[in-house]
Amino acid sequence: EDQVTQSPEALRLQEGESSSLNCSYTVSGLRGLFWYRQDPGKGPEFLFTLYSAGEEKEKERLKATLTKKESFLHITAPKPEDSATYLCAVGGGSYIPTFGRGTSLIVHP
Amino acid sequence: DADVTQTPRNRITKTGKRIMLECSQTKGHDRMYWYRQDPGLGLRLIYYSFDVKDINKGEISDGYSVSRQAQAKFSLSLESAIPNQTALYFCATSEPQGLTDTQYFGPGTRLTVL
Repeated sequence: EDQVTQSPEALRLQEGESSSLNCSYTVSGLRGLFWYRQDPGKGPEFLFTLYSAGEEKEKERLKATLTKKESFLHITAPKPEDSATYLCAVGGGSYIPTFGRGTSLIVHP
Repeated sequence: DADVTQTPRNRITKTGKRIMLECSQTKGHDRMYWYRQDPGLGLRLIYYSFDVKDINKGEISDGYSVSRQAQAKFSLSLESAIPNQTALYFCATSEPQGLTDTQYFGPGTRLTVL
């Protein structure tokens, strides 16, 4: 059974204070690891897909990295508008992604 | 216009009532999904469909049913609503892209069962 654990559950940062969110996973045959951003009361918005260990992807202040056991979402010099819940999911042999419970990020001005 | 739309966006109903949530998409994707989200529990899969003739149960299908009326439409029904079905419901679509699918979510329906 595929499993995804995200940490921390909640993170508070000051504007400009860089940090990382963690996504640990176990999966039989990784087909892809996904990061989504979700604003309160809205649907998750796709950010990145990573396919193999060592792969990295960037978008504005966000950078996602992948190893064989975990993925990190690095947030550089965050702004208040980066406040959201960040969801991680893994796609395994079943083609149906398994989601983690998310990390709630609040960036204070 | 949004690629994935859900109606209604908010619904309050009473225990025992039948309710239908609808999802439409203009992305041209064959694969569609229904999830529910509860605080602290993340997204849980209710049903999914890989094409018009294909319907599959997810991890929490009890108390729910679905209908795939067309490639673009996927409806979720609660035959007899109960209070613990109060949640945020999301529809999603995807299409095969190499090794895996990327999912695209609708805006959600907030359902309250009294």
